Amino acid sequence: QSALTQPPSVSGSPGQSVTISCSGTSSDVGSYNRVSWYQQPPGTAPKIMIYEVSYRPSGVPDRFSGSKSGNTASLTISGLQAEDEADYYCSSYTSSSTFVFGTGTKVTVL
Amino acid sequence: EVQLVESGGGLVQPGGSLRLSCAVSGFTFSGYWMHWVRQAPGKGLVWVSRIDSDVSNTNYADSVKGRFTISRDNARNTLFLQMNSLRAEDTAIYYCARQNNYAIDYWGQGTLVTVSS
Repeated sequence: QSALTQPPSVSGSPGQSVTISCSGTSSDVGSYNRVSWYQQPPGTAPKIMIYEVSYRPSGVPDRFSGSKSGNTASLTISGLQAEDEADYYCSSYTSSSTFVFGTGTKVTVL
Repeated sequence: EVQLVESGGGLVQPGGSLRLSCAVSGFTFSGYWMHWVRQAPGKGLVWVSRIDSDVSNTNYADSVKGRFTISRDNARNTLFLQMNSLRAEDTAIYYCARQNNYAIDYWGQGTLVTVSS
């Protein structure tokens, strides 16, 4: 299973919005609403931010939102804050009951 | 509070073996499928292996198939990863992770495995 494709980096000023894309195929991202997103600040473990395309776990700020169109999922951070600076990974749950992750995107707050 | 605590990482020579453990608490371990995910230094997340709740099914990434074995002890609330025939490319932080529906909702802090002579 090949890794999902994400842009290496995105950046924005505080208060702006940034969107991270996650491109897959009709066999993974496009087939089911089983896309999740994870935030990983430097030197820490990943943390779930979005599950099943657009649902936020308890405690995740509502400035994080997810969507999907065809074989591409997206994570949008609205009202960017300094604490949002981290690596972000998308993931798709496969028909083999495994996970395939994206290549990762570094979010920089200018 | 849900906790996953990995241990067993370290420095091992190529061709050697290592057994990772993940002790969990704060939830009913036997009710969840569990995974190992790894991250090479400076690289992205890569799924390694999965075991279902009653140990009846396991899956492995092609890169570790035949060399790694995932197992669990539901009575001791512990997940394991036996790693044999280790290679330099297995060097990574190994995370224990809990699956909830179609996502990973909790991750351990990770344990570093370094394969080098």
